[in-house]
Amino acid sequence: GAGVSQSPSNKVTEKGKDVELRCDPISGHTALYWYRQSLGQGLEFLIYFQGNSAPDKSGLPSDRFSAERTGGSVSTLTIQRTQQEDSAVYLCASSFGRGSFGGNEQFFGPGTRLTVL
Amino acid sequence: AQSVTQLDSQVPVFEEAPVELRCNYSSSVSVYLFWYVQYPNQGLQLLLKYLSGSTLVKGINGFEAEFNKSQTSFHLRKPSVHISDTAEYFCAVSFYGGSQGNLIFGKGTKLSVKP
Repeated sequence: GAGVSQSPSNKVTEKGKDVELRCDPISGHTALYWYRQSLGQGLEFLIYFQGNSAPDKSGLPSDRFSAERTGGSVSTLTIQRTQQEDSAVYLCASSFGRGSFGGNEQFFGPGTRLTVL
Repeated sequence: AQSVTQLDSQVPVFEEAPVELRCNYSSSVSVYLFWYVQYPNQGLQLLLKYLSGSTLVKGINGFEAEFNKSQTSFHLRKPSVHISDTAEYFCAVSFYGGSQGNLIFGKGTKLSVKP
C-alpha cells in the first residue's frame, strides 16, 4: 500500500518568498505530524493534527509558519517570507489512532528539502 | 524538560563486527522509546519500540535494544553488522499521557560499516 507522500521533494526559493509544502498521509491515519530536520537543530517537532484540528501550535518556530489539514487527510505547511534559516528538510509523519497515545508508530514520508537562497 | 542524548555522533565499524549505539533520556514521566533508521535521502523507518513489558525488544534487520529504567537508557545493538546497515540512527521518546504524542529525537548516530 501507499506510504506517506510529500511534495515537492525539493524546493529552492528566494528569501522573502512564500512556500507551501504538502503531505499526503496514509489513508485512515487520523494523526499527522510535521517535523523539521536541520544540521544545527536535528529533528524538531513542529505541529500535530488529530483529524483537522491542531490543539497546540507552540512548536511552530515563528508566526511565519502555519499549517492546515483538510478532510482529515492532506496537510499543507506554509512558510511566509522565507528566511535562510528556514532551509531544512521538512518531514511529515502519520499514525493510526489518537496521537495522544504516544506509543503509536509514526510512519514518515521522504521529506521536502527546502533551500532558501 | 525531557531530552534524548545520543552520545556518539559517528560510529565506524567493520563488517560482521558487533555494534552498540547508545541512547539516554531524561524525563520526569513515563516514556515510550523508539529507534528509527534513516537511509540516505529517505525518510525515517521504525526499527523497534518499547512500550511496556519485557525490557529486551527485538526489531527488524536483526537489531535489538534493552530498556534500562534505572540507567534511563535504551541502547541499540546488533551482533553482526552488514554494509547495508550504513545509515543514521535516531533514538526518540514520546510521553505516556502526553497531549500530542510527538516524538523527541536525539541528534542521531551515523553508523558507517566498512568492508
